Amino acid sequence: AQSVTQLGSHVSVSEGALVLLRCNYSSSVPPYLFWYVQYPNQGLQLLLKYTTGATLVKGINGFEAEFKKSETSFHLTKPSAHMSDAAEYFCAVSETGANSKLTFGKGITLSVRP
Amino acid sequence: NAGVTQTPKFRVLKTGQSMTLLCAQDMNHEYMYWYRQDPGMGLRLIHYSVGEGTTAKGEVPDGYNVSRLKKQNFLLGLESAAPSQTSVYFCASSYVQGYGYTFGSGTRLTVV
Repeated sequence: AQSVTQLGSHVSVSEGALVLLRCNYSSSVPPYLFWYVQYPNQGLQLLLKYTTGATLVKGINGFEAEFKKSETSFHLTKPSAHMSDAAEYFCAVSETGANSKLTFGKGITLSVRP
Repeated sequence: NAGVTQTPKFRVLKTGQSMTLLCAQDMNHEYMYWYRQDPGMGLRLIHYSVGEGTTAKGEVPDGYNVSRLKKQNFLLGLESAAPSQTSVYFCASSYVQGYGYTFGSGTRLTVV
């Protein structure tokens, strides 16, 4: 069965600092991988996704993530944090093929200090 | 384009009451899903549907029932609400199973 691990529940960075949110997954078949962002009292917005091809994927708002099969990881990064990046971030995985469903990690809350 | 519309947006129920959450999509998607979001738990799949007239259990189905009588609608029912069902409920639809999800804006349900 597929699963996602997001270590820690809260990350705090200074404005302008590097953002690194970690995600590790487990999947028995080649996965699709996603990062979603949720701003307070809002729904989920897709940041970026990996399906096939290039392992470094770029998303909205300057975020990017790299799929590393050998490490079963899909960490999210942004070179310079902005105050508006404060939100909750979810990593998710789905397996290619029939009966595929999206499975989410527990989420990480990102705080950005002035 | 409306996308995925959830009604109601907020609801307060008393323990033992019943209610139905409606999810409607206008994208002609085959696949629809109900998730619940709880603090520190992420989103967990309650039930899903792979087409009109079909439903299947997800990770946390107990206490919920669903129906997909029309392709565009996916209903989530609580027959006898319990405080443990206090949560934010999200509906989603997709054109490919497990990929390309569009989420609704959520329903915040409180059971007292």
